[in-house]
Amino acid sequence: DTGVSQNPRHKITKRGQNVTFRCDPISEHNRLYWYRQTLGQGPEFLTYFQNEAQLEKSRLLSDRFSAERPKGSFSTLEIQRTEQGDSAMYLCASSRLAGGHGTDTQYFGPGTRLTVL
Amino acid sequence: DQQVKQNSPSLSVQEGRISILNCDYTNSMFDYFLWYKKYPAEGPTFLISISSIKDKNEDGRFTVFLNKSAKHLSLHIVPSQPGDSAVYFCAASAWQAGTALIFGKGTTLSVSS
Repeated sequence: DTGVSQNPRHKITKRGQNVTFRCDPISEHNRLYWYRQTLGQGPEFLTYFQNEAQLEKSRLLSDRFSAERPKGSFSTLEIQRTEQGDSAMYLCASSRLAGGHGTDTQYFGPGTRLTVL
Repeated sequence: DQQVKQNSPSLSVQEGRISILNCDYTNSMFDYFLWYKKYPAEGPTFLISISSIKDKNEDGRFTVFLNKSAKHLSLHIVPSQPGDSAVYFCAASAWQAGTALIFGKGTTLSVSS
């Protein structure tokens, strides 16, 4: 039983470059989430997928950010034209909706730490 | 405005004693609450949760209490162990508003032996 995995674990890039992160959720989890965490803050929600459909996006997700989940399995988060303010830990979480209730327990991956120089 | 607040940035406790971490929330629509533990350079690890229909949930050394009238929840760890030293995040969600978790800023717990 493997947990949520994320690659790469660390990414250093120059301002203006594009970066892409990958998340592999726990198998059979139909929900996948992306969060961002900066120093001294809790994780902040970015976007959420149920299967392959992107159902919710935060105002934090600017036009430079795009996320996909083809075939409802792994997901990618791309940041175009990176800025220094994008430096953060990007966390992926997954969950399996149970019992017909809208809330469920989210399990997090180890995160990808992005540094924009 | 912060909807989930953890007003104590840090807490120090001796091994074997009780650790009590507190969390306050402002949104009365929140109906599901979770506690996560986070070590440096790792993602948050789920500890325990509670639904708004309950006022207490227990799992081993961890107990979460929910006081809806005060919009307050707390995590009790008994007995505290040095391995419990980490950052603890309180999180909340509202079914009607979607599935995003709203996190507090965290409390750093240090357990000394």
